[in-house]
Amino acid sequence: NAGVTQTPKFQVLKTGQSMTLQCAQDMNHEYMSWYRQDPGMGLRLIHYSVGAGITDQGEVPNGYNVSRSTTEDFPLRLLSAAPSQTSVYFCASSDVSGANVLTFGAGSRLTVL
Amino acid sequence: AQSVTQPDIHITVSEGASLELRCNYSYGATPYLFWYVQSPGQGLQLLLKYFSGDTLVQGIKGFEAEFKRSQSSFNLRKPSVHWSDAAEYFCAVGDSWGKLQFGAGTQVVVTP
Repeated sequence: NAGVTQTPKFQVLKTGQSMTLQCAQDMNHEYMSWYRQDPGMGLRLIHYSVGAGITDQGEVPNGYNVSRSTTEDFPLRLLSAAPSQTSVYFCASSDVSGANVLTFGAGSRLTVL
Repeated sequence: AQSVTQPDIHITVSEGASLELRCNYSYGATPYLFWYVQSPGQGLQLLLKYFSGDTLVQGIKGFEAEFKRSQSSFNLRKPSVHWSDAAEYFCAVGDSWGKLQFGAGTQVVVTP
């Protein structure tokens, strides 16, 4: 049982480059979300999805895109990376018919030069 | 708007001593409240949660938390800390879907 899998674990980008952070879960969870973690700021919600084909913005969505074509996958796209997007990114999912508790991935550390 | 405040950025505690981490929240409806722990370089692990019912909730690793609606607080406690409790702790408030607002975190250092 893999849970929530994020790839890559580490990535270095140059300003203006694009990339996709992958997130996959094998628990058939309806809800998936992306957070970014910055020192002294806790975790801030970027985007979330309550099911395939449905996405919505969180607290800090600017500069990020998401899509949810399947229940399992929820990729996060950076179209033109900026140094302000240097952060640790966490994907999380939950089963809203159960305990509504988030299961987190191990995180992806992104550095934008 | 919902918000979570963890007043203590950093706490140092001796091994074997008690620990209390404070959390205050602002939320428009009945809150779902959580405490998560993050060890260095790791993801977040759920310690405990409160949805309804008994206001004193027990979690893993010997932690407990008390929900006080009148004070809008959800403080985390442990009677006797172990060196392995050194980590960062996050309080969170959210809705029934799991859409959570996190506090800034409290770093706990355990000294011998």
